[in-house]
Amino acid sequence: TQLLEQSPQFLSIQEGENLTVYCNSSSVFSSLQWYRQEPGEGPVLLVTVVTGGEVKKLKRLTFQFGDARKDSSLHITAAQTGDTGLYLCAGAPTSGSRLTFGEGTQLTVNP
Amino acid sequence: DAGVIQSPRHEVTEMGQEVTLRCKPISGHNSLFWYRQTMMRGLELLIYFNNNVPIDDSGMPEDRFSAKMPNASFSTLKIQPSEPRDSAVYFCASSSLAEETQYFGPGTRLLVL
Repeated sequence: TQLLEQSPQFLSIQEGENLTVYCNSSSVFSSLQWYRQEPGEGPVLLVTVVTGGEVKKLKRLTFQFGDARKDSSLHITAAQTGDTGLYLCAGAPTSGSRLTFGEGTQLTVNP
Repeated sequence: DAGVIQSPRHEVTEMGQEVTLRCKPISGHNSLFWYRQTMMRGLELLIYFNNNVPIDDSGMPEDRFSAKMPNASFSTLKIQPSEPRDSAVYFCASSSLAEETQYFGPGTRLLVL
């Protein structure tokens, strides 16, 4: 059983559409991170959320940490082809334990 | 900083051959991780080190896989003998602490024929 469940697993949309991907767990996390992996590259950190209920914005990307610190969402407004990639959430359930990754959401934005 | 460095970037070998993947973590980072990524299984943690000591190797598939970290600036992942099912992208990542942000290398794309 995955500690972090991501949904959907695959998402294909047209340029200009909005989308939301989810990261859920039964565990409480001190923080959650979102990474993006582009084809042929390693994952790169986008954002870290640390406070329950926190919302962070990165241009057209909005990240939210659940109030109970068990889940997170990533919303992309007006998706662009450059947003195509694998989106991974990651968290450490307790301080001092290692970061674990979800299985990812593969996003394809079509022109 | 140059980031995490991995070599080789691509490796094509024949079944039964030994494969050695190399990683240089970011200077000052205390944790190093080896991952394998495939379409079918996603990103799998193979092993990670804290201060050069292996902490969790439960993800290592079998005895054909071994990893070492002789010092803070170098680690290897060895597959001997290699099999076609080992074909994947292998990533090395490092972080200041095990629960902190991980910085990934560019990966080694391994193809075992």
